[in-house]
Amino acid sequence: EVQLVESGGGLEQPGGSLRLSCAASGFTFSNYGMSWVRQAPGKGLEWVSAITGGGGSTYYADSVKGRFTISRDNSQNTLYLQMNSLRAEDTAVYYCAKGRGASLVNWYFDLWGRGTLVTVSS
Amino acid sequence: QSVLTQPPSVSGAPGQRVTISCTGSSSNIGAGYDVHWYQQLPGTAPKLLIYGNSNRPSGVPDRFSGSKSGTSASLAISGLQAEDEADYYCQSHDSSLSGFVFGTGTKVTVL
Repeated sequence: EVQLVESGGGLEQPGGSLRLSCAASGFTFSNYGMSWVRQAPGKGLEWVSAITGGGGSTYYADSVKGRFTISRDNSQNTLYLQMNSLRAEDTAVYYCAKGRGASLVNWYFDLWGRGTLVTVSS
Repeated sequence: QSVLTQPPSVSGAPGQRVTISCTGSSSNIGAGYDVHWYQQLPGTAPKLLIYGNSNRPSGVPDRFSGSKSGTSASLAISGLQAEDEADYYCQSHDSSLSGFVFGTGTKVTVL
């Protein structure tokens, strides 16, 4: 079955760290770029980060640049998001999404996981 | 704050046609980047609805259609059905932000 399954969310204090994982199955993981997209409670979607299929290029939203790191292990079909210096405004459901498109700038996300909730609070 | 603006809500009776606008600028839609649309049913993950401005993935009913012109794009839903009640988001790329952007989102209500 083609699917993405996120894990690693939970409650963390401001300034703390969390690492999210996204396990992919049913497709050739290394052939596709991947992204993290988040959604704060009751709010809209916000793109967080992206990584190319081979992992050689990474991209970040300004709101997380310098604090979050995206990576992938193609041998394990797994995507990661290392989240450091967490802030209250990082509280959201984090989705991993599979990217498609003829070029990076025209990527769309054709497969989404169910998401994992990250809560940053003291 | 998103750089792609959508109306907060639209509504229509069953069978009617509704449209959702997505207004951007010269650094995103107006720069020629593709626009994509997602449907998010209550309590679920987003689902791809339209890609590359006007293309439907397999399994998406042809009641959904997309278009793009200048710095804006639109999603049309014809023959509105109760199951279409959801939030809808547009998405593109922004050269000034060097990343992807989503629209502010539109809640569709079937009266």
